[in-house]
Order: sequence, then C-alpha cells, then structure tokens
Amino acid sequence: QVQLQESGPGLVKPSETLSLTCTVSGGSVSSGTYYWSWIRQPPGKGLEWIGDIYYSGRTNYNPSLKSRVTTSVDMSRNQFSLKLSSVTAADTAVYYCATHPASRVNFYFDYWGQGTLVTVSS
Amino acid sequence: DTQMTQSPSSVSASVGDRVTITCRASQDISRWLVWYQQKPGKAPKLLIHAASSLQSGVPSRFSGSGSGTDFTLTINSLQPEDFATYYCQQANSFPVTFGPGTKVDIK
Repeated sequence: QVQLQESGPGLVKPSETLSLTCTVSGGSVSSGTYYWSWIRQPPGKGLEWIGDIYYSGRTNYNPSLKSRVTTSVDMSRNQFSLKLSSVTAADTAVYYCATHPASRVNFYFDYWGQGTLVTVSS
Repeated sequence: DTQMTQSPSSVSASVGDRVTITCRASQDISRWLVWYQQKPGKAPKLLIHAASSLQSGVPSRFSGSGSGTDFTLTINSLQPEDFATYYCQQANSFPVTFGPGTKVDIK
C-alpha cells in the first residue's frame, strides 16, 4: 500500500517560493501506475487541485495556478515535489500530496498524505 | 473547466437516518464522478469512484448513483463515524474540480 508524507517549511514570506516534497513508500514514483498529485485546502474551505506529474515528466496543472507551479520527480529518492512561486496570503492552505491512477479518465485520488499547513506571512 | 455544485451545503441528521447528497456537474461527465469523506484535521478518504464503484474497505451503507450531470451519494443508516464533510470530484477531464462540500452533522 502506497504511503505519502509531505515535508517542507510551514511558513513562507509573501512573494517568495513555496517548496514542498512528498516522500513515497510502498510504491515507486518510477512506476507507470500512478500520477503524483498536489491538492490544497485553505483553512475552513474546500479542496483545490494544483497539478500532477507522471514519472516521464508529463504534467497537468490547474490553469488558475499554472503560471506559478512547477512539479518534479526525483526517482533516486522516491520523491516528488511542488514549487509555487510569488505566494500571497491566499496561498495559505493545507497542502496534500496524493496519487491517482494513470488513466485517461476516472482519475480518483486513492492515496493521500496527511497534509502540511503552509502559512504565507511576513 | 467543469464546475461542480453540491446540495445541501449542510445537513443535520441522527444516527440511523438515511442521508442523500446531490452533486451536479456543469457539463456531461459520463460516470466519472468521485466521492470523498473528510473528517476535521484529516485528509479526504476515497469512498466511491466511477459514480457507483465502492472503494475497497468502505462500508456498504455508502452508495452512489447517477450519470451525465447529476449524481447522488446515499448513506443508509447513518453511523456516528459518518459525521463528516463529503466532497464530490469530477474525474472526466482536466483540470480536476471538486464540489464545495456537504457537512453532515448531528441533529
């Protein structure tokens, strides 16, 4: 069973870049079975999909965030990462890493990390 | 983008009640609809995918139905552990989009 664990700074200054890493256990990021995803949830609000990445480097991003998002995969460390640039207070949220099957449709998120709160504040 | 709406936004119910939550997509998404349960401070948990396929380990009191633009999550005989917020998500096209959630709380 795949297990995911987010890590990274809990506090980021406005205009800086938010960087998070998700460590995968019980599975391999180099497997073609899954896309590796990021989802966020502002405090007290709903879920927003940020984007995902396949082991090949193929990505899908939310158009609302696309200009600021970069995702990557590190096969040697079995990790994948998120960078979100030029953050503002509106980017304060719990950030989750998650997986969905590598299919053309029916991409449901079956494994999730526990989530990490990132606060944007000076 | 496919917009998702849910109704009601909240519902108060008692243990043993049947609860029905509706999700509507702004365009035809066939049967590519997912339901999650989220408890405070926890990650969402996958309940149902492809509108009606129950995820392994999820109790059979949960069921989903629908296709096209209208979908339903039904919880039969509500249990204490079912008090949570429920989200729908369209899984038909990118960008992935979620409904705003329905909170099920204790009457």
